[in-house]
Amino acid sequence: AQSVAQPEDQVNVAEGNPLTVKCTYSVSGNPYLFWYVQYPNRGLQFLLKYITGDNLVKGSYGFEAEFNKSQTSFHLKKPSALVSDSALYFCAVRGAYNDMRFGAGTRLTVKP
Amino acid sequence: NAGVTQTPKFQVLKTGQSMTLQCAQDMNHEYMSWYRQDPGMGLRLIHYSVGAGITDQGEVPNGYNVSRSTTEDFPLRLLSAAPSQTSVYFCASSYSSNTILSNYGYTFGSGTRLTVV
Repeated sequence: AQSVAQPEDQVNVAEGNPLTVKCTYSVSGNPYLFWYVQYPNRGLQFLLKYITGDNLVKGSYGFEAEFNKSQTSFHLKKPSALVSDSALYFCAVRGAYNDMRFGAGTRLTVKP
Repeated sequence: NAGVTQTPKFQVLKTGQSMTLQCAQDMNHEYMSWYRQDPGMGLRLIHYSVGAGITDQGEVPNGYNVSRSTTEDFPLRLLSAAPSQTSVYFCASSYSSNTILSNYGYTFGSGTRLTVV
């Protein structure tokens, strides 16, 4: 079965510093991986995806993610964090029927 | 476009009561799904549908029913509410996995916060 894991419940960074939110995956076949962000009292919003091609994927709001097949990881990154990036971030993997499986989420807090 | 619309936004039920959570999308998406979000557990898939007339179970289907009579609507029914069903429920939709447009992921509704007492 397809699954993803987010090893950190919470990530704290200072504004202006780089941030990384970790995700590892377990799939059979080629992975279709996604990152979503959730702001308080809102639904999830699509950030970026990896389907095939370049291992570095660029997405919305300056975020990017690095796909690493040997480490089965898909970490979310941003070179310079903003306070407004504070939110709940979810990694997800898509199954054969377009069903999406999500990780438990990582709460990112960016402090001024 | 309205996107994905969920109603109601908030609901309090008594144990044993039934209710239907509504979900409608206006993007002509073939795929629709229901998730519940609980602290520390992320989003768990309840049921999904790949098109009108076709539904299937996800990870946590017990206590929930769905049907898909039209492309636009995908209601979630709780037949006999239990406190364990207290959660935030999200509906999501996307293009079919048969098209490259599905690579753009899901569009989510704003959620229904359900409390069962």
